[in-house]
Amino acid sequence: RKEVEQDPGPFNVPEGATVAFNCTYSNSASQSFFWYRQDCRKEPKLLMSVYSSGNEDGRFTAQLNRASQYISLLIRDSKLSDSATYLCVVNFKAAGNKLTFGGGTRVLVKP
Amino acid sequence: DVKVTQSSRYLVKRTGEKVFLECVQDMDHENMFWYRQDPGLGLRLIYFSYDVKMKEKGDIPEGYSVSREKKERFSLILESASTNQTSMYLCASSQDGNTEAFFGQGTRLTVV
Repeated sequence: RKEVEQDPGPFNVPEGATVAFNCTYSNSASQSFFWYRQDCRKEPKLLMSVYSSGNEDGRFTAQLNRASQYISLLIRDSKLSDSATYLCVVNFKAAGNKLTFGGGTRVLVKP
Repeated sequence: DVKVTQSSRYLVKRTGEKVFLECVQDMDHENMFWYRQDPGLGLRLIYFSYDVKMKEKGDIPEGYSVSREKKERFSLILESASTNQTSMYLCASSQDGNTEAFFGQGTRLTVV
């Protein structure tokens, strides 16, 4: 079983709609969590950190569920520019701050 | 502006060659990482380092080694390149596990 798993998609989303997807992780000792965004042929960039209480950044909301070992990302009022691959990242601090990536979820926002 | 710089954007090497991929960061970060990214497989961690001269194996270290002689530089070495090492290689750095990791632009390596 992979340490961090994501639905690869693609999620085809009408412009203006809401889309949500999850990421599951296997190590309950995982320390910190992030969502990164990767555009085609570009390097990944941080979208947002995920805090235990959940957090929001504009149209983006991230949630952490430690009991069920998953994190989620919700995008409201989708824009064409939201089309990208969203990467879930988990830090295993006990392993020396090993950052492990999920395979990514592809989102395509269409007019 | 923070920066992680990889020495080459594109490389073509022959099977059996020894290949060096260089990565330099200017943020005085403790942690540095090497990943490879392949279609359908996502980013897979090859090696990482949390301090100078320290290294830890990631998930796919076979066929690779690393060197971190200075804090700002983390080198990935392919001891004897093989065609299955054709991939996009991404270097990243972070101050600690709770902060953002910054990536270089990647090196697309083709082994022929």
